[in-house]
Amino acid sequence: GNSVTQMEGPVTLSEEAFLTINCTYTATGYPSLFWYVQYPGEGLQLLLKATKADDKGSNKGFEATYRKETTSFHLEKGSVQVSDSAVYFCALSRSSNSGGSNYKLTFGKGTLLTVNP
Amino acid sequence: NAGVMQNPRHLVRRRGQEARLRCSPMKGHSHVYWYRQLPEEGLKFMVYLQKENIIDESGMPKERFSAEFPKEGPSILRIQQVVRGDSAAYFCASSPPGATDTQYFGPGTRLTVL
Repeated sequence: GNSVTQMEGPVTLSEEAFLTINCTYTATGYPSLFWYVQYPGEGLQLLLKATKADDKGSNKGFEATYRKETTSFHLEKGSVQVSDSAVYFCALSRSSNSGGSNYKLTFGKGTLLTVNP
Repeated sequence: NAGVMQNPRHLVRRRGQEARLRCSPMKGHSHVYWYRQLPEEGLKFMVYLQKENIIDESGMPKERFSAEFPKEGPSILRIQQVVRGDSAAYFCASSPPGATDTQYFGPGTRLTVL
């Protein structure tokens, strides 16, 4: 079945440091890939997505490139801020039926990021 | 445009009681999804509903769990005779028609079973 593996946390960085959170996946066919962010006490927010190989999703300074050859979708940011402290989830979508809509999201376990001033 | 709303945010039940979790999707969204997050785990898909229809309940436990999305009112996730293993965060998401993989999540309901 489908699965997502992301790097174990927690990750602690100083402000303005470079961030990488690794994510690899296992899926049949051509899934869409997502990064979600969860701030304390809130629900998940879609951060970025990519729907096909070599697509780059980007938002708020975060980027991730869909690498089919390595089945990866690593999240990067060049300079983190204290306000980026949150839990980050990598996810993929693939329908349980052949064809049709991709509604069933499969999530990784999440990576807690703490950014210190 | 208000986001996805869930209530209650926190729910405490004793073993054997019933838990009812409510979810109001974003305005204009007709698709609702429920996910469960166990401690130290990622979210797991439970069920996908449209108005008055269950589309996919492949992630729902076979017993004690049920979900509905009536023509009027919020979607309800119902857990009968709760057990300690049901303690988790339950998240609801919604999406607009034609974009089912673009899901907007609510803040979740944290269920604690004593």
